[in-house]
Amino acid sequence: GAGVSQTPSNKVTEKGKYVELRCDPISGHTALYWYRQSLGQGPEFLIYFQGTGAADDSGLPNDRFFAVRPEGSVSTLKIQRTERGDSAVYLCASSLGGVTYEQYFGPGTRLTVT
Amino acid sequence: AQKITQTQPGMFVQEKEAVTLDCTYDTSDQSYGLFWYKQPSSGEMIFLIYQGSYDEQNATEGRYSLNFQKARKSANLVISASQLGDSAMYFCAMVYTGGFKTIFGAGTRLFVKA
Repeated sequence: GAGVSQTPSNKVTEKGKYVELRCDPISGHTALYWYRQSLGQGPEFLIYFQGTGAADDSGLPNDRFFAVRPEGSVSTLKIQRTERGDSAVYLCASSLGGVTYEQYFGPGTRLTVT
Repeated sequence: AQKITQTQPGMFVQEKEAVTLDCTYDTSDQSYGLFWYKQPSSGEMIFLIYQGSYDEQNATEGRYSLNFQKARKSANLVISASQLGDSAMYFCAMVYTGGFKTIFGAGTRLFVKA
């Protein structure tokens, strides 16, 4: 079956611009995670959705970052007024929910802010 | 605060030999899950193995086993009979039931030599 997909695969934007990154989870997966991975580092948790609601957004670095999942499936990570420090690979993962279930990761979106 | 420590930035192993990748964690929670993921150079994260904090037996999945020592707060990954395709980054991660935030370590890069 289809895995987690993310679009675009690469995004180059200028400092100060707004970007949206999209994640399509595996069908039937109620849990969805967003992570940010900088070069040479492990993924850094950003936000977790259970269904349509953000159950844990404690990892969002500041109010420039926002994520939605309006119908409990596709999610969009939105970054306003991008900064060069936002450059990273943004990973999305989905799971059946709960701590015992593994997360299935998408291929990521590489964001470069110039 | 929850923390995952992987002290080996890089490891070398001869093909067909076993290798242990270290992971220690820090948490005050009693209920949590521990995961290992593999990230090849292609970038996609692949689930390997899961251990629950209340599981009395060490988890095994094919050539992967998790050496779980709860009192020492360690969850080392053992890969038996290493293959060239095992060359990748390996990440230890923890999910705790106080929330759904997933904490990743910095990773260990494994090189398998022919």
